Amino acid sequence: NAGVTQTPKFQVLKTGQSMTLQCAQDMNHEYMSWYRQDPGMGLRLIHYSVGAGITDQGEVPNGYNVSRSTTEDFPLRLLSAAPSQTSVYFCASSYTLPSGSGGELFFGEGSRLTVL
Amino acid sequence: GENVEQHPSTLSVQEGDSAVIKCTYSDSASNYFPWYKQELGKGPQLIIDIRSNVGEKKDQRIAVTLNKTAKHFSLHITETQPEDSAVYFCAVDSTLGRLYFGRGTQLTVWP
Repeated sequence: NAGVTQTPKFQVLKTGQSMTLQCAQDMNHEYMSWYRQDPGMGLRLIHYSVGAGITDQGEVPNGYNVSRSTTEDFPLRLLSAAPSQTSVYFCASSYTLPSGSGGELFFGEGSRLTVL
Repeated sequence: GENVEQHPSTLSVQEGDSAVIKCTYSDSASNYFPWYKQELGKGPQLIIDIRSNVGEKKDQRIAVTLNKTAKHFSLHITETQPEDSAVYFCAVDSTLGRLYFGRGTQLTVWP
């Protein structure tokens, strides 16, 4: 099993550009989520999905879009990048909701995004 | 949303000493309290968790205690080793299965 795979690992964008962070998992997990990690701010939930075709907003959803067309993939889209979106982004998945039995979150290795 | 406070933000201990990290939360309906460890350049990994029907849980050198009345829980690491050096995050569940994380504690264990 590869676990949770994120691409790219590093990306530099100019303000206003768009891009998609890819996330794929091969564990047949229903729950997938995106977090951003900023110094001194911990991990903040951007968007999450409880299954294919179902997505919802987390704490900091503005400026990001997601979709979940398959169980395996959960891409995060930045439509018009801003310097405030400079961060490290983590995708995470779990078999069930994080609060349930089987809810251990498995994280990818992160994608470091810089917006100039 | 849930308000999770984590202290201290940095912690330095000598190898062999104990380390304690504390988190408080605001939602009395929360029932699930995991701890994640993040090593440099990697994603966080679950190290231990506790549910509201249990007051304490141990796994070798790691333990977590929960005080639901006071709405706080703590991570205890005994006999610390240099490989325990990492960032530790507490988390709390909330409605709709969301997980809210604390701001993290950078633990450094000096040999």
